[in-house]
Formats: sequence, structure tokens, C-alpha cells
Amino acid sequence: SYELTQPPSVSVSPGQTARITCSGDALPKKYAYWYQQKSGQAPVLVIYEDTKRPSGIPERFSGSSSGTMATLTISGAQVEDESDYYCYSIDSSGNHKVFGGGTKLTVL
Amino acid sequence: QVQLVESGGGLVKPGGSLRLSCAASGFTFSDYYMSWVRQAPGEGLEWLSYISSSSSTINYADSVKGRFTISRDNAKNSLYLQMNSLRVEDTAVYYCARDPNPPTGTRYFDYWGQGTLVTVSS
Repeated sequence: SYELTQPPSVSVSPGQTARITCSGDALPKKYAYWYQQKSGQAPVLVIYEDTKRPSGIPERFSGSSSGTMATLTISGAQVEDESDYYCYSIDSSGNHKVFGGGTKLTVL
Repeated sequence: QVQLVESGGGLVKPGGSLRLSCAASGFTFSDYYMSWVRQAPGEGLEWLSYISSSSSTINYADSVKGRFTISRDNAKNSLYLQMNSLRVEDTAVYYCARDPNPPTGTRYFDYWGQGTLVTVSS
């Protein structure tokens, strides 16, 4: 089965840039999506189709993808950005829709 | 604004059944694909199933294929998940999510409900 691999945790100080990676064999051909999930809440889409930001998402959130790795970048991370972040994509056949294991971002 | 409200969760014994519902509002429900995604306690997200706007296309994750059935009623703006032969490992918060059905054809989720907890235990 297809897997997306994320680091379990990332920690930055307020104002620093946080980068969360997601690796998967199909990412050169398939888009990556990123979700933010705060404790006890539903996930929120923050990046879609590798680089696009939904309306209402702060500009400090950006996405990129190169080869088998997609990256979520939070420029000037704020305390309120502390959350779990999940990448999502599909395998090369399109049949398996998969989330990464999640990355806990700590901002302190 | 887009609202998705799940209901129907609860405590059920292994082998039992449960039907979840998701009431949609704030958008034209019949224009969108919909999905169910779950999250076991302390764990990550797992996509379970999607259904096309007209119910003509349905897909399931291997983990629930043959046990769960997704359906929708566009007249009632509602999405359903019939869950049979439930197992302890099906214990999770179940979310319904809207799929924007983009031109790329890639299924993803732009709005989520708050979820409903299903606990499978004897």
C-alpha cells in the first residue's frame, strides 16, 4: 500500500520559519495537500494542489513540491500555528487516498 | 457558509451496526462529491470512502470494503455511512468532508464537519 512519510515533530521559536516535509513515491506526478488540525478540532485545508492557498488562509502558509517530497512552509510561525499537520495525496493509480502520519508543530 | 454536521455515533458492540448521517448546508450539495474520513483516538487521519454527486461512482478503502456502505440523498442534503460488522479497531471520530471535484479529478477535501465518535467495545 502507498505511504506518505512525515517527521513526527517540528519545533521552532515564534517568528522563525517552520518547514514540514512529506515524502511519497507518487508525488512527482500527484499533487500534495496539507491540513492543519488543532487539538479537538476538525482538520482545515491550508494548501491544495502543491502550492495553492485557500481563501482565508494566512499568506505565511505556502507549499512546494520537488521530486518525491512536498513541503509545507510557515514563514514567521506564530504561537497559534501550533497544531498537527497532515499531508495528503493519492498513489499513482489514483485508487489509494492516503494521509501522512502527521507532524506536531510546536511554536515556543 | 458551508456547514457539515455529523450524527449517529455512539457505543456499539463488536459485530454490531451503526448508521452515520451528515447534514449539509450552505452550498449546493448535489454539485459535490462527498467523503468519509476517520481518526482513531490519538492517531492520524484515514480516508474511508467517497461518493460522486449523482451516486454513480463510489470507492472504499480496503479496510472497510464489504462492511461499510456510503450513500447520499440529494433531496435531503444528506450523506450517510452504514457500518456493519464493526470491530474494536473501528473506534474513531468519523468526519464527513466535502470534495470540491476539481478539474484535475483528484479527490480531496475542502470542508470538514466536526465529527461524531464511534466506540466499538464489549
